[in-house]
Amino acid sequence: DGGITQSPKYLFRKEGQNVTLSCEQNLNHDAMYWYRQDPGQGLRLIYYSQIVNDFQKGDIAEGYSVSREKKESFPLTVTSAQKNPTAFYLCASSMSAYSNQPQHFGDGTRLSIL
Amino acid sequence: AQKVTQAQTEISVVEKEDVTLDCVYETRDTTYYLFWYKQPPSGELVFLIRRNSFDEQNEISGRYSWNFQKSTSSFNFTITASQVVDSAVYFCALSEFSGGTSYGKLTFGQGTILTVHP
Repeated sequence: DGGITQSPKYLFRKEGQNVTLSCEQNLNHDAMYWYRQDPGQGLRLIYYSQIVNDFQKGDIAEGYSVSREKKESFPLTVTSAQKNPTAFYLCASSMSAYSNQPQHFGDGTRLSIL
Repeated sequence: AQKVTQAQTEISVVEKEDVTLDCVYETRDTTYYLFWYKQPPSGELVFLIRRNSFDEQNEISGRYSWNFQKSTSSFNFTITASQVVDSAVYFCALSEFSGGTSYGKLTFGQGTILTVHP
């Protein structure tokens, strides 16, 4: 089945540690996105990528890093610089980054601090 | 700057009741797109509908219907004869027209938690 796979489902981070969240899609979509969701809030954009080997900062990129070396993969690293990483992280993709394209989402990764 | 407001934080209904989820948006663009997404307890967001700013026709899909009114900048979502499986968080979102190859940023509302009791 075509879709977006995020792993792991749950992740725990120790102080000072970097962790990487995986996002893979087999929809052949050009654009991919990372969002952060906090309780009672909407989704906030961390990073997006319109095409392979290109990515741009979203509204809350500080403390995060990404790479886009393959079309189907867009991993997100939560660095130790992110002081409040506890949140639900959602990866999405769309055919292109044009504004009219609906985004399709993965099941999310819940990150907590140990 | 664009903004989406979902004034209802939580709604609780009994099965078979009709329920309307409100969405009000702000944008300076004349061309834009509106979306509704459903987030069930499993976590993923499910795309429900897309509307462009030039199409004010209301849409019905089964028990779901959407009312788009440009004059009041609203894009409300109604579920008729609600069912327990409709329980989820519902998000309204706005994307301004990007043009060319520019990215059209998607702005989400805060979400409305809908609980349908048996």
